[in-house]
Amino acid sequence: EDQVTQSPEALRLQEGESSSLNCSYTVSGLRGLFWYRQDPGKGPEFLFTLYSAGEEKEKERLKATLTKKESFLHITAPKPEDSATYLCAVDETGANNLFFGTGTRLTVIP
Amino acid sequence: DGGITQSPKYLFRKEGQNVTLSCEQNLNHDAMYWYRQDPGQGLRLIYYSQIVNDFQKGDIAEGYSVSREKKESFPLTVTSAQKNPTAFYLCASSMRGGWNQPQHFGDGTRLSIL
Repeated sequence: EDQVTQSPEALRLQEGESSSLNCSYTVSGLRGLFWYRQDPGKGPEFLFTLYSAGEEKEKERLKATLTKKESFLHITAPKPEDSATYLCAVDETGANNLFFGTGTRLTVIP
Repeated sequence: DGGITQSPKYLFRKEGQNVTLSCEQNLNHDAMYWYRQDPGQGLRLIYYSQIVNDFQKGDIAEGYSVSREKKESFPLTVTSAQKNPTAFYLCASSMRGGWNQPQHFGDGTRLSIL
């Protein structure tokens, strides 16, 4: 069973069209949830860490939120330069690893 | 600028050959990690090191080896025992050991089979 599921797999938005990406997780105890941005042929770039339900973090047009079962990455008025794959990863209590989702590929059309 | 440098960017391996991927960081981070990224899959952990001269196997360590002789360096060797080595390899580091620390990644090495 996958511990981390991201949806949708791919998302196309018009420039300025706000939307949300989802990361749902099924772990016994959450120690932290991470969001990363990955451009083609590059390594992931760290965006946010969330540690407890109700926590929110913002950076420019991005806002990450966390509940007990999932996290959302809200993108407000996106621009073409926001096009990338967005990954989430979960740190589970007692695990010696991070569980990564397969990502959401976002395309913002001018 | 501080960061993680992976080299080479592209690497080709012949049958029966071992190849070594380089990873250097100047962030003064204690912990370093190697991941493999395949299409349609999440990143999978190969090896990690939380301190110099110590490292641990991840989920898919078979066919790989590492060393951590210096804080700044964590090279990965893909041995001939790794039967499906074609992938994008990512090195990462974090300030301290512990999985709740954000990891910072290099720009990867793409390994292909000749």
